[in-house]
Amino acid sequence: AQSVSQHNHHVILSEAASLELGCNYSYGGTVNLFWYVQYPGQHLQLLLKYFSGDPLVKGIKGFEAEFIKSKFSFNLRKPSVQWSDTAEYFCAVNSGGGADGLTFGKGTHLIIQP
Amino acid sequence: GAVVSQHPSRVICKSGTSVKIECRSLDFQATTMFWYRQFPKQSLMLMATSNEGSKATYEQGVEKDKFLINHASLTLSTLTVTSAHPEDSSFYICSAREGGVRYEQYFGPGTRLTVT
Repeated sequence: AQSVSQHNHHVILSEAASLELGCNYSYGGTVNLFWYVQYPGQHLQLLLKYFSGDPLVKGIKGFEAEFIKSKFSFNLRKPSVQWSDTAEYFCAVNSGGGADGLTFGKGTHLIIQP
Repeated sequence: GAVVSQHPSRVICKSGTSVKIECRSLDFQATTMFWYRQFPKQSLMLMATSNEGSKATYEQGVEKDKFLINHASLTLSTLTVTSAHPEDSSFYICSAREGGVRYEQYFGPGTRLTVT
């Protein structure tokens, strides 16, 4: 069975600070990896995804993530956060075939202070 | 972009009654829809996978007789919570995967169910 671990449950940063949110997964086979964002009162939106190829993935709103297979990690980064990045961030995984539902991490609540 | 809607957005029902939640893909055909449950301040848990025209596949620990899923068309899946109890109160979210597009799931806005 798959599992996803997000180490930071609550993160508070000031505007313009750099961000890195950790995500580790547990699964023996090929995986697809995702980061979703949930803004207050809104539905989940896809930030970025990794299926194969270049392990450095760029997403929307200046976010990027790096897949490190040896570490089973898919950390999310942004060089300079904005107040509008305040949201809940979820890392998710499904198996390489892509047909399955997603296994989510517990989420990271990010608060950006102006 | 691909849009998924859910109806209703909020519902309050009495214990012992049944509630139906609809999930629609508005601008694409969804060969597969997924139902998730999200507890307050917690993550989403996959409940079941629904393929158009076939029986849903339930995750371990999810009662299939309690959470009835129907995926009768390529744009509509329904989740019926039967004989609801207060512990069924939760946020239910559906997602839809577009046939022919690799792997991406589009999420609906969710339905807040409160059982009194």
